[in-house]
Amino acid sequence: GAVVSQHPSRVICKSGTSVKIECRSLDFQATTMFWYRQFPKKSLMLMATSNEGSKATYEQGVEKDKFLINHASLTLSTLTVTSAHPEDSSFYICSARDGRLAQYNEQFFGPGTRLTVL
Amino acid sequence: SQQGEEDPQALSIQEGENATMNCSYKTSINNLQWYRQNSGRGLVHLILIRSNEREKHSGRLRVTLDTSKKSSSLLITASRAADTASYFCATDAGRTGGFKTIFGAGTRLFVKA
Repeated sequence: GAVVSQHPSRVICKSGTSVKIECRSLDFQATTMFWYRQFPKKSLMLMATSNEGSKATYEQGVEKDKFLINHASLTLSTLTVTSAHPEDSSFYICSARDGRLAQYNEQFFGPGTRLTVL
Repeated sequence: SQQGEEDPQALSIQEGENATMNCSYKTSINNLQWYRQNSGRGLVHLILIRSNEREKHSGRLRVTLDTSKKSSSLLITASRAADTASYFCATDAGRTGGFKTIFGAGTRLFVKA
């Protein structure tokens, strides 16, 4: 089956620093990747949609300058949390789909990255 | 709000009992999926039901979909302690919705041994 990896799985950083999270599709080409964040005991909230080679589309209320998304290749998307603050601490999950093949919009989810900002 | 609603928010049952979780959503959908998430872990895909389907089974799981009421239910039969997790429904609006997958608020299931 299709596999999506995320790196790192956990990261702790100081306030004010930037953190980059990678999302890779390992055995398929991801024309679209999605980024979600999840607070403890809450559901996943879609942050943005990125199509390979295009600018990401952000959901309402998500600051694009705060959460930089790059989808430069068909197997890699990155989310950079800039000038991180403690309130950015969360579980970040990506998902990927190959729009050329996904008959029923199957998406494959990464295992998530837990970000803790001190 | 992005999210649909799920009820109950939390459910505690004895091992062997059945667990039913409900999900309501707001827009037209292409398909609906159910996921499980153990605490602090990634998502596990359970089942996908397409908009033209009304019921689907997979092992101890039974999912129904009522598009007229914009609702779905997940039934876990003969529950086990290992079923303890959070369960989310997720809707996909297809091309017209940008292929976004929107998650419900989730139900936290606790199965007591």
